[in-house]
Amino acid sequence: AAGVIQSPRHLIKEKRETATLKCYPIPRHDTVYWYQQGPGQDPQFLISFYEKMQSDKGSIPDRFSAQQFSDYHSELNMSSLELGDSALYFCASSLVREGLGEQFFGPGTRLTVL
Amino acid sequence: KQEVTQIPAALSVPEGENLVLNCSFTDSAIYNLQWFRQDPGKGLTSLLLIQSSQREQTSGRLNASLDKSSGRSTLYIAASQPGDSATYLCAVRPRAGNNRKLIWGLGTSLAVNP
Repeated sequence: AAGVIQSPRHLIKEKRETATLKCYPIPRHDTVYWYQQGPGQDPQFLISFYEKMQSDKGSIPDRFSAQQFSDYHSELNMSSLELGDSALYFCASSLVREGLGEQFFGPGTRLTVL
Repeated sequence: KQEVTQIPAALSVPEGENLVLNCSFTDSAIYNLQWFRQDPGKGLTSLLLIQSSQREQTSGRLNASLDKSSGRSTLYIAASQPGDSATYLCAVRPRAGNNRKLIWGLGTSLAVNP
């Protein structure tokens, strides 16, 4: 069965650079979520999109932005990177309109900011 | 504000033991509760999802129960194996506010020793 795809899997950037993370949800899923997980921490919700519209916003810094495209893939854009942005970034998708809402996670992108 | 707590934070058992991981949440107004497994530095794998109207779910050697009124869930692992070693996280999908994001516990780090 198709799973959530994230790219790249690993990314190394310098401070003040920008990064773009991509997420391809499971086909037919209508909702995409972005989470950030620091070392030894639980995942922190950043932002979600339902049917290409932003549906909820969590602890996403103003330096970050995200969008969902017509093909339902989503991109998380991160600018003016800081050392503290080093983390695992997960994308998840779910089929909310069918009521179950189970979230399926991608393998994550490990971002390292030097 | 919904808070999720997992006890114990870490657990080490010999192979073959049956074990129970605990998850508690402060607000019983939830849509569902999900148990995840995470291997070190890796992605999140959904193990079981329990809807708020359900009492338990089973998958192989795993059994998850939900007592919504007391704000508790347990994950029972039968006949543990070294391959079960991982961090187990529970997350709830609250009814309050925008109901799409998950609220996470910090996880239980499980080591099953051969």
